[in-house]
Amino acid sequence: KAGVTQTPRYLIKTRGQQVTLSCSPISGHRSVSWYQQTPGQGLQFLFEYFSETQRNKGNFPGRFSGRQFSNSRSEMNVSTLELGDSALYLCASSLGDSSNEQFFGPGTRLTVL
Amino acid sequence: GENVEQHPSTLSVQEGDSAVIKCTYSDSASNYFPWYKQELGKRPQLIIDIRSNVGEKKDQRIAVTLNKTAKHFSLHITETQPEDSAVYFCAATRTYKYIFGTGTRLKVLA
Repeated sequence: KAGVTQTPRYLIKTRGQQVTLSCSPISGHRSVSWYQQTPGQGLQFLFEYFSETQRNKGNFPGRFSGRQFSNSRSEMNVSTLELGDSALYLCASSLGDSSNEQFFGPGTRLTVL
Repeated sequence: GENVEQHPSTLSVQEGDSAVIKCTYSDSASNYFPWYKQELGKRPQLIIDIRSNVGEKKDQRIAVTLNKTAKHFSLHITETQPEDSAVYFCAATRTYKYIFGTGTRLKVLA
């Protein structure tokens, strides 16, 4: 099976712009979670989607939003970018049932100038 | 709120020695505890996990122990090798919301 993929791998934006990141889960996986990874904060949970519904949400401002499509692919959007949004954004997919095990994608490196 | 504390933040060991990383979680309803290894520039990879109904799990040189009463769980790596050098993350989860520790950078010195 193909692994989790994320596009684009690298992005450079300026403050105030918005950005959309994409995540394609492993075939058959219905859950997609998003994380922000920074050197000082580790992996911070953003939100989790299952069958097109947001099931869980972390403590991020409303500028961070997401959605999931019927084929389980997910997108994450960040509006009005700030310098502090520079980070590696990882998504992870799982079956979404009690098995819990998540598989990570390679991440999108976002730099905000 | 939910929190996972991980210690130490850095750990250096001689090749062949053992390494232990400890995590403490706050949400007593957490029922799944995975450990991930992240090498430089790569994605986190699951190396071992344990569920709340089990006290210990072992996979070759890696083991995880869980103390639900104290809300502690630990990763044990025996006979460390240079390729074990990486950042290790613990996590606690329930209902598909993962709370990660801040990571431990393990350096195995040859």
